[in-house]
Amino acid sequence: SYALTQPPSVSVAPRQTARITCGGSDIGSKNVHWYQQKPGQAPVLVVYDDSARPSGIPERFSGSNSGNTAALTISRVEAGDEADYYCQVWQNNHDHVVFGGGTKLTVL
Amino acid sequence: ELVESGGALEQPGGSLRLSCLTSGFAFSIYTMSWVRQAPGKGLEWLASINSNADTIFYADSVRGRFTLSRDNAKDSLYLHLSSLRVEDTAVYYCVRLNHFHGSGKLDFWGPGTLVTVSS
Repeated sequence: SYALTQPPSVSVAPRQTARITCGGSDIGSKNVHWYQQKPGQAPVLVVYDDSARPSGIPERFSGSNSGNTAALTISRVEAGDEADYYCQVWQNNHDHVVFGGGTKLTVL
Repeated sequence: ELVESGGALEQPGGSLRLSCLTSGFAFSIYTMSWVRQAPGKGLEWLASINSNADTIFYADSVRGRFTLSRDNAKDSLYLHLSSLRVEDTAVYYCVRLNHFHGSGKLDFWGPGTLVTVSS
């Protein structure tokens, strides 16, 4: 079965740039989606189809995807960005959804 | 909007039925899914059902124990949980899977309902 690998944690100082990676075999050929989850809340879609942003998501959130690695980049990090972030792909031939293990972003 | 209900404390081996009432979008044309999150753990996809309910897929961890269904006339999604195990303890989320243009993004989530399995 397909697997996605994320670093368990990433730390960044305020106003700096955070990059969270998501590794998977030939992930560049798939649509990758990213979710932000704050404690006690449901996940929220922040980037979809590799690099698109839903309405209401700041431009500071961006995504990329190539080869075996996708990435979520958060520019000018704020304290409010501290959360868990998950990548996800859809195996449309089996209607299966696959999540990465999640990355805890800490704002120092 | 998606709103789950039916979460409860249940004993191992027991059963529960979760419901998800939706509004504000054309429920009948979307694939829908359930995702769960055990305490302190990551997200786990459980099952998906296509728009007319003729295709249903399950994760290996729940296949044969959980049953997914939908009622398009009531804009509702259901998950029947049986043979419950302690490790099924989690928050269960109802989620819209937007498959259009081959995307597969989970673009709307309910707030979740808590299932606790314990004796």
